[in-house]
Amino acid sequence: GNSVTQMEGPVTLSEEAFLTINCTYTATGYPSLFWYVQYPGEGLQLLLKATKADDKGSNKGFEATYRKETTSFHLEKGSVQVSDSAVYFCALTMGSGANSKLTFGKGITLSVRP
Amino acid sequence: EPEVTQTPSHQVTQMGQEVILRCVPISNHLYFYWYRQILGQKVEFLVSFYNNEISEKSEIFDDQFSVERPDGSNFTLKIRSTKLEDSAMYFCASTRDYLETQYFGPGTRLLVL
Repeated sequence: GNSVTQMEGPVTLSEEAFLTINCTYTATGYPSLFWYVQYPGEGLQLLLKATKADDKGSNKGFEATYRKETTSFHLEKGSVQVSDSAVYFCALTMGSGANSKLTFGKGITLSVRP
Repeated sequence: EPEVTQTPSHQVTQMGQEVILRCVPISNHLYFYWYRQILGQKVEFLVSFYNNEISEKSEIFDDQFSVERPDGSNFTLKIRSTKLEDSAMYFCASTRDYLETQYFGPGTRLLVL
């Protein structure tokens, strides 16, 4: 079946540090890829997405590029802020009517210290 | 901006009791989902629902679970006889088209004692 693997956490960074969170996937076919973020005490919010190979999703200074050759969708940010402290989930969907569920990775907790 | 809402935000119940978790999806959305997240674990798919019937369900979604869209606005998840291992955060999500982004509600934290 389809699956998403995220790097082990947690991750602790100082403010303004560079962030990379690795995500790789296994899928039969060509999934759409997502990063969702969960701030403390809140639900899941879409951070960014990419629907085909070489697409780059971006939002709030975060970026991720859909790499078919390495089956990866790594999340990056050039300069993190304390307010970026949250849990980050990589996810995929095959996007067909009968199989549109999201498959999530384990999530990784990011803590940014001032 | 329209959003998915869920009630209650927290529910505590005794093992063996029935619970109903409620969701109001975004009004023009047609596809509805339930996911759950056991504390410290990944978010897991439970069921998807379209055109008043289940499109897909996971192996977690056994006979103890059911979903319903009783009145064209609410979308409910019923657990008939709760077990300790049903304790989790339950998220509802909706989308207008299965090709589009799923929007999540804030979740209901269920604790089974």
